Amino acid sequence: DVKVTQSSRYLVKRTGEKVFLECVQDMDHENMFWYRQDPGLGLRLIYFSYDVKMKEKGDIPEGYSVSREKKERFSLILESASTNQTSMYLCASSQFSGVQETQYFGPGTRLLVL
Amino acid sequence: LAKTTQPISMDSYEGQEVNITCSHNNIATNDYITWYQQFPSQGPRFIIQGYKTKVTNEVASLFIPADRKSSTLSLPRVSLSDTAVYYCLVVDYNQGGKLIFGQGTELSVKP
Repeated sequence: DVKVTQSSRYLVKRTGEKVFLECVQDMDHENMFWYRQDPGLGLRLIYFSYDVKMKEKGDIPEGYSVSREKKERFSLILESASTNQTSMYLCASSQFSGVQETQYFGPGTRLLVL
Repeated sequence: LAKTTQPISMDSYEGQEVNITCSHNNIATNDYITWYQQFPSQGPRFIIQGYKTKVTNEVASLFIPADRKSSTLSLPRVSLSDTAVYYCLVVDYNQGGKLIFGQGTELSVKP
């Protein structure tokens, strides 16, 4: 079974803090994704990566950056957290470089920015 | 530009068949349509994917009409454990392969 793990299930941070969300997958997948999930808005893609050190902006990249130094790990960085970044953050991976490949999601990190 | 629309919520009773429709205009002819299921406190998980007509697996069926402007996820004889949020996903190659998730349909199955 594919396993996607996220470093924290719940996180509370203060406005202006730098926040790191970590995601690790154990199946040697090529693609990794970061989404945020908000009520009524579904899942929105923040960034994705199709290879080590490669990244592509998704729909809502503003205020976020990412890092992929190793194939199994994809980090989401909030440079200066703001209250409107309070959300559920979901990481996903897929095996091949093709956006229609099945995505495997982690359990999510619920972030509260005060 | 492609856009998806799903009902926000649906109610059902155990043993009934449930059909959830996602409208998706302007998807490219070679786009697949994928459905995911999400339980509370978990990430979404893949249910089914199709390109045209009908696809069936051990969990669900997916019906896609010829015009491909919608797709219908069919869950036969639902049980309480099917209570979840269901998302459709399309890929809009007209926008360079943009992933477009629907807003999700919250299905509540009652005894």
